[in-house]
Amino acid sequence: RKEVEQDPGPFNVPEGATVAFNCTYSNSASQSFFWYRQDCRKEPKLLMSVYSSGNEDGRFTAQLNRASQYISLLIRDSKLSDSATYLCVVDRNNAGNMLTFGGGTRLMVKP
Amino acid sequence: GAVVSQHPSWVICKSGTSVKIECRSLDFQATTMFWYRQFPKQSLMLMATSNEGSKATYEQGVEKDKFLINHASLTLSTLTVTSAHPEDSSFYICSASRQLYGYTFGSGTRLTVV
Repeated sequence: RKEVEQDPGPFNVPEGATVAFNCTYSNSASQSFFWYRQDCRKEPKLLMSVYSSGNEDGRFTAQLNRASQYISLLIRDSKLSDSATYLCVVDRNNAGNMLTFGGGTRLMVKP
Repeated sequence: GAVVSQHPSWVICKSGTSVKIECRSLDFQATTMFWYRQFPKQSLMLMATSNEGSKATYEQGVEKDKFLINHASLTLSTLTVTSAHPEDSSFYICSASRQLYGYTFGSGTRLTVV
């Protein structure tokens, strides 16, 4: 079983739609959680950190469920520019050398 | 925000030659940097942790004699792919961690070995 698992997609949605991604992680000792966005042939860029209480940044909402060991990302009112691969990232020790990346979920927003 | 600069962004080299990739933290000091590799349609895999002033820590399965890492200053880490072969063709990305900014990635280097 992979340490961090994501549905690879692609998720094809129309503009304006709401879309949700889930990510599961296997190590219950994991400490920090992030969603990164990666455009084709570019480096990942931090979208948002994920906190137990849930956090929202504009159209994006992230949730963490430690009991079930999953993380979610909700995107409301999808824009064409949201088309990218979304990487779920888990940090096991906050020291940087134990970041584990999920395989990514590809989102394609259509006009 | 924290900026990490990586150079070159792409390189094509002949099999058997060596390629050096630079990773610089532009507006902060990074005692630790990380080197990743990403093959097409796969996720990032940590290759090694680069420590300023000391030897790098390599992940299991990564050949330290093939992927030489030097972290000579607080703002520069280099990765040298020695005697490159076509199977080394990949997207190499560095990152550094800075408080409040999380992990910032360089723009990546696309290496093609022909």
